Amino acid sequence: GQQVMQIPQYQHVQEGEDFTTYCNSSTTLSNIQWYKQRPGGHPVFLIQLVKSGEVKKQKRLTFQFGEAKKNSSLHITATQTTDVGTYFCAGLTSGTYKYIFGTGTRLKVLA
Amino acid sequence: GAVVSQHPSRVICKSGTSVKIECRSLDFQATTMFWYRQFPKQSLMLMATSNEGSKATYEQGVEKDKFLINHASLTLSTLTVTSAHPEDSSFYICSARGGQDPFYEQYFGPGTRLTVT
Repeated sequence: GQQVMQIPQYQHVQEGEDFTTYCNSSTTLSNIQWYKQRPGGHPVFLIQLVKSGEVKKQKRLTFQFGEAKKNSSLHITATQTTDVGTYFCAGLTSGTYKYIFGTGTRLKVLA
Repeated sequence: GAVVSQHPSRVICKSGTSVKIECRSLDFQATTMFWYRQFPKQSLMLMATSNEGSKATYEQGVEKDKFLINHASLTLSTLTVTSAHPEDSSFYICSARGGQDPFYEQYFGPGTRLTVT
């Protein structure tokens, strides 16, 4: 079945360092969404990417959708302690109605 | 953004009993609701999709007789875990979408932590 993998699984960074998580799908996606889940919390929607090669920015966060629409990345510039949490991508395969969540990347930011 | 609530937030039940979890969209009509299960430090696994007024669609490997889903109105979906066992202990999260179009954003509830003793 369809799989959506994320790397790395864990990342510890010093505050101020950059962070990137990569999302890779075994199948071509119609679109991709990114979520952040704080410890003990629920996933919160960050952004949706639809077009091949699309790049979107939200303050220190940059999201990219690959040209082949099979991978995506989230880059955080100059991490802060508030960035702590698990970042999930969720991909929608053409012809389906449901999102498959990636395995997640847990980010820890050391002050 | 839109608000989705879940009740209860935590529940402890004895093995063999049934537990009902409610998911409500508070300020929008949810045509479609999703139920996920999340084990500690793992990803969200989709259990089933429910559209208002119709039977839920279950993912492969999810027992429909064990996890009963009812989406009776545009603002409420319920998940009943029947004859619960300790291995059913998990974090159950619902999400709601305002339209059939999967490009619509889905909003997550705060989750329900179920512990079966």
